[in-house]
Amino acid sequence: DIQMTQSPSTLSASVGDRVTISCRATQSISSYLAWYQQKPGKAPNLLIYQASTLRSGVPSRFSGSGSGTEFTLTISSLQPDDFATYYCQQYNTYSTFGQGTNLDI
Amino acid sequence: QITLKESGPTLVTPTQALALTCTFSGFSLSTSGVGVGWIRQPPGKALEWLAVIYWDDDKRYSPSMKSRLTITKDTSTNQVVLTMTNMDPADTATYYCAHRLGGNGWNEAYFDFWGQGILVTVSS
Repeated sequence: DIQMTQSPSTLSASVGDRVTISCRATQSISSYLAWYQQKPGKAPNLLIYQASTLRSGVPSRFSGSGSGTEFTLTISSLQPDDFATYYCQQYNTYSTFGQGTNLDI
Repeated sequence: QITLKESGPTLVTPTQALALTCTFSGFSLSTSGVGVGWIRQPPGKALEWLAVIYWDDDKRYSPSMKSRLTITKDTSTNQVVLTMTNMDPADTATYYCAHRLGGNGWNEAYFDFWGQGILVTVSS
């Protein structure tokens, strides 16, 4: 099975900061990686797929990069609405989610 | 627009089976490339992918859960049903169904529209 490890687990930041969340796969997943944002009590919201393709309607301050086993989600300038939990998901073989990164103030 | 909604029992006794229904609108599961998946999330924990069913009736299950899961579709009623056998308190979670936007070619899935989720508690 492919395991996904996110780092850090918790990230404290301020409005306007540039933040980066990492996701590592235990084997190559090519570019078959998605990123989601989840707020308390809500379903996840797809942000990025195919490692770097921004979903329509998602603000351009979100960006994704990487391939193989190492991936990154970057938020260029944090907005108050961005404080949430972020998950990566591989869909190269079956599907696996990372353990999540809680982004708080 | 695409909407999905989960329904089913919210309290299940250990060892019982669980059947959850996903009722959707705004797309057809007869259309090439379309799929519906199930994902769960125990309270305070991470997301876990369970299964996906595709337009051609192909199905994929989480290897760790495969022996307990069955996913079916009814295109005439726009519903997908997930059945999970031998429920345990560790299966207590919010269960989501979601629409497949794309995947690894024709296989696997990532999801763009999700239901609101249904919290299922397993307890005697």
